[in-house]
Amino acid sequence: DIQLTQSPSSMSASLGDRVSLTCQSSQGIGNYLSWYQHKPGKPPKPMIYYATNLADGVPSRFSGSRSGSDYSLTISSLESEDTAIYYCLQYDEYPYTFGAGTKLELK
Amino acid sequence: EVQLVESGGGLVQPGASLKLSCVASGFTFSDYWMSWVRQTPGKTMEWIGDIKYDGSYTNYAPSLKNRFTISRDNAKSTLYLQMSNVRSEDTATYYCTRARIRGTTGWFAYWGQGTLVTVSS
Repeated sequence: DIQLTQSPSSMSASLGDRVSLTCQSSQGIGNYLSWYQHKPGKPPKPMIYYATNLADGVPSRFSGSRSGSDYSLTISSLESEDTAIYYCLQYDEYPYTFGAGTKLELK
Repeated sequence: EVQLVESGGGLVQPGASLKLSCVASGFTFSDYWMSWVRQTPGKTMEWIGDIKYDGSYTNYAPSLKNRFTISRDNAKSTLYLQMSNVRSEDTATYYCTRARIRGTTGWFAYWGQGTLVTVSS
């Protein structure tokens, strides 16, 4: 199975900060990686698909990028509503696999 | 508006069976691959498996393949997850999801609200 390693596991940042979360794949998955935002009591919300594409309704402060087997989700200016757990998912190969998540909190 | 509504969760004893349902609306159900995903109390997300739009093909996480079965009834716009011989580690919130693009599998563009399954004696 393809392993996705997310880093950091948790972090805190201040309002307005630029934040980057990373997801590293154990093998090549091309751009078949998506990101999800999960808040308590709600279903996960898709944020990014195909590594760099913004999902419907996602604010433009979010972006996705790729460098080799490293994928990043960046928030250009952190807002309070962005606090959540963020997961990456690879859908290049079965079985699809998720990363362990990054918990993002406000400092 | 796409809606996915799961049901069937609850408290179940170890070794028992349970069938979850997901009723879909707001789109042509028979055009889309569907998946089940779960999140454990420890926040681990796990893909369970998916089913082709016509029900002819399924894929599963290897660790669950022998106990979980995904099926669908396109006439009822309903997705199912049959769970057998459940274990404490199956305690999780189970989500029904839909792929974004008609006729293809892939990332999960739509999610239901989830149904909680608790396995305990």
